[in-house]
Amino acid sequence: AQSVAQPEDQVNVAEGNPLTVKCTYSVSGNPYLFWYVQYPNRGLQFLLKYITGDNLVKGSYGFEAEFNKSQTSFHLKKPSALVSDSALYFCAGYGGATNKLIFGTGTLLAVQP
Amino acid sequence: NAGVTQTPKFQVLKTGQSMTLQCAQDMNHEYMSWYRQDPGMGLRLIHYSVGAGITDQGEVPNGYNVSRSTTEDFPLRLLSAAPSQTSVYFCASSPTYDRVRGGTQYFGPGTRLLVL
Repeated sequence: AQSVAQPEDQVNVAEGNPLTVKCTYSVSGNPYLFWYVQYPNRGLQFLLKYITGDNLVKGSYGFEAEFNKSQTSFHLKKPSALVSDSALYFCAGYGGATNKLIFGTGTLLAVQP
Repeated sequence: NAGVTQTPKFQVLKTGQSMTLQCAQDMNHEYMSWYRQDPGMGLRLIHYSVGAGITDQGEVPNGYNVSRSTTEDFPLRLLSAAPSQTSVYFCASSPTYDRVRGGTQYFGPGTRLLVL
């Protein structure tokens, strides 16, 4: 079965420190992977996506993600966290023969001042 | 562009009542979908549509109906509400349903539904 996993329910990081939010995937065929962010009482906003090509993908608000085929991972990263980055982050992906987007369970990022 | 709009923002229903959640987009997107968001479960796909007149089931379609008579609108109908349908519902649209072209989905602000 196709799946996307986010192993951490919550990530805590101090402002100014680098952050990583983890995502692993299990899909057949070529994976097409996305990161979305959700602020309180809002819909999801697109951050970045990996379709093909360069394994390091740059997105909005200074975020980037590294696609690693051998580890089946697509971790979200930022060199220096801001308090305003505190939100719920979702990894998602297409895989196999389906056009249905599969979401992970989400990771709550808390950045302390 | 208004993007993806959803109404109502919040609704309380009694068990057995029916209602329609409205979703509209003004971006001429061919792909539209409905998700429900529950704590610890992420977003789960209810129904989706790859164009006017075409709909299909997602992961959790039971208790919900959809139709797509126009490109712009994709309403979600709850036939007989149950407490298990208490959730936050998101509508999304994408310029393409083709995953190979990597269709990015754009989400509405959500509808909070409470079924008593």
